Amino acid sequence: DIQMTQSPSSVSASVGDTVTITCRASQGISDYLAWYQQKPGKAPKLLIYAASSLQSGVPSRFSGSGSGTDFTLTISSLQPEDFATYYCQQATSFPLTFGGGTKVQIK
Amino acid sequence: EVQLVESGGGVVQPGGSLRLSCAASGFTFSSYWMTWVRQAPGKGLEWVANIKPDGSEKYYVDSVKGRFTISRDNAKNSLYLQMNSVRAEDTAVFYCGRRILWFGENYFDYWGQGNLVTVSS
Repeated sequence: DIQMTQSPSSVSASVGDTVTITCRASQGISDYLAWYQQKPGKAPKLLIYAASSLQSGVPSRFSGSGSGTDFTLTISSLQPEDFATYYCQQATSFPLTFGGGTKVQIK
Repeated sequence: EVQLVESGGGVVQPGGSLRLSCAASGFTFSSYWMTWVRQAPGKGLEWVANIKPDGSEKYYVDSVKGRFTISRDNAKNSLYLQMNSVRAEDTAVFYCGRRILWFGENYFDYWGQGNLVTVSS
């Protein structure tokens, strides 16, 4: 199974800050990686697919990069509605696996 | 508008059975891979199972193999998860999801609202 490791597990930031979350795969997954946002009591929301492609309707302050084993989600100019938990997910090999999550909290 | 509406959750005793349903609307259900993902209380997301559009291929996480069965009825635009021999560690909110159509990889663009399954005596 491919293990997905996210860091940090939590981050405190202020509105307007830039936040960077990293995700490492235990083996190469090319660019077959997704990022999701989840708010309490809600379903996950797809932000980024294929490592760097922005899902329709997602603000451009969200961006993704990386390939192989190391990936990054960047949130530029953090907005109040961005405080949530973010998960990476490898999309290529069963069992599909998620990272442990990164909680973005208000400083 | 794409909608996925789950039902069938609740409290079930250890060793018991439960069937979750996911009613799809607003898209051609029979063209899409579908998935179940769960989230234990206070924990992260865990993929459970996938099913091909025609139901001919199914994939499961090891922890549910032999106990859970994913299925679909394309005539009824419905996805199911039959859960047998449930354990306390199966307690979770279960989400159904739709896989993006134009990729061969597993990116999920629409989700249901979630359905809580509690395994307790």
